[in-house]
Amino acid sequence: GQNIDQPTEMTATEGAIVQINCTYQTSGFNGLFWYQQHAGEAPTFLSYNVLDGLEEKGRFSSFLSRSKGYSYLLLKELQMKDSASYLCAVQDSNYQLIWGAGTKLIIKP
Amino acid sequence: GAVVSQHPSWVICKSGTSVKIECRSLDFQATTMFWYRQFPKQSLMLMATSNEGSKATYEQGVEKDKFLINHASLTLSTLTVTSAHPEDSSFYICSARKGTSDTGELFFGEGSRLTVL
Repeated sequence: GQNIDQPTEMTATEGAIVQINCTYQTSGFNGLFWYQQHAGEAPTFLSYNVLDGLEEKGRFSSFLSRSKGYSYLLLKELQMKDSASYLCAVQDSNYQLIWGAGTKLIIKP
Repeated sequence: GAVVSQHPSWVICKSGTSVKIECRSLDFQATTMFWYRQFPKQSLMLMATSNEGSKATYEQGVEKDKFLINHASLTLSTLTVTSAHPEDSSFYICSARKGTSDTGELFFGEGSRLTVL
């Protein structure tokens, strides 16, 4: 079966760095997405990785290792507004998105 | 950036009635749109894939006669919840893939919260 694993909840301090991991087992691979979702709102796109390596976008970076079925989202200089759920999703061989359950990130002052 | 708009954002209806939710890509064409359902504290569940000009592809366990999907143009897909019941109350989200390629970026609508009394 297809499976996406990510931690259920993480806590970090304002100004610090946090890494959210995602491991996946899917039928084929056509890219991995990270989305941010605030409570009651639709997800917003953060990043897309299809090749191995690190993609940096401001305070957010995303890393992919296809051989290990592993990705992480790195958030630097955490702000209170970063408190949200972070969803990892993999596009399978049929280009459909397989979603993880999301990681709830709690930022403390 | 690309914008996807859903309407209505919030709807309350009586049990047994039908509700239509629209998903529009405002500044780009989308051959493919997706409809999701999100239960509280759970990840998004793909309901169906909507392709312009053809029948939607439903995921296993989703009743196609209950959740009618129409994708009549490259900028509009609609989801109609027929004979809604309280268990259909949920947050429904659409996304649109920019362009015609399978690798186009996905943009999400704001979501539509349905409450069935």
